[in-house]
Amino acid sequence: EPEVTQTPSHQVTQMGQEVILRCVPISNHLYFYWYRQILGQKVEFLVSFYNNEISEKSEIFDDQFSVERPDGSNFTLKIRSTKLEDSAMYFCASRQGTSYEQYFGPGTRLTVT
Amino acid sequence: RKEVEQDPGPFNVPEGATVAFNCTYSNSASQSFFWYRQDCRKEPKLLMSVYSSGNEDGRFTAQLNRASQYISLLIRDSKLSDSATYLCVVAASGGSYIPTFGRGTSLIVHP
Repeated sequence: EPEVTQTPSHQVTQMGQEVILRCVPISNHLYFYWYRQILGQKVEFLVSFYNNEISEKSEIFDDQFSVERPDGSNFTLKIRSTKLEDSAMYFCASRQGTSYEQYFGPGTRLTVT
Repeated sequence: RKEVEQDPGPFNVPEGATVAFNCTYSNSASQSFFWYRQDCRKEPKLLMSVYSSGNEDGRFTAQLNRASQYISLLIRDSKLSDSATYLCVVAASGGSYIPTFGRGTSLIVHP
């Protein structure tokens, strides 16, 4: 069964450093998403991406965040200058164009020290 | 006002029990509704979409009440493996599709 994959599973970084989180969505999916979940809190939408551009973004997705689809398979989230409060699980998700059902990757646990 | 509200629980039930969760949403323009389950420190996994007419998948039944703006999930014959957090997800379809998650309802099924 096709699945969304994410790397790395765990990333530890120092405050102020840049990190890139990587995702490989399901191959025939057209819409891609990033979410974050701070420990003990709800899943929060960050950004959606379709046709090589951002279609929606939340208030959380400020100028320190960016997304890219550098090739036909990868979808990346870059955090330019990490803060302590960026520590969270970051989930990538994708969906087909014909359905709103999203499928999530296993997540990257980001720890900012 | 919270957009998607769920009773956090935990709901502590014996194996074989029937348990029901509700979720209320504030955006009347919402068109897409889902239940996901999330195990501790894992990703949300789609359990089922919720359709206007209600739908059933094995032991799981989901209902939508648009007038009262809530959705429900019923689990019959609970198994130990059903222990997880159940997330309600609501989105307005069309031009602006931003899924909103509830905080989840924790279910613990004990022997």
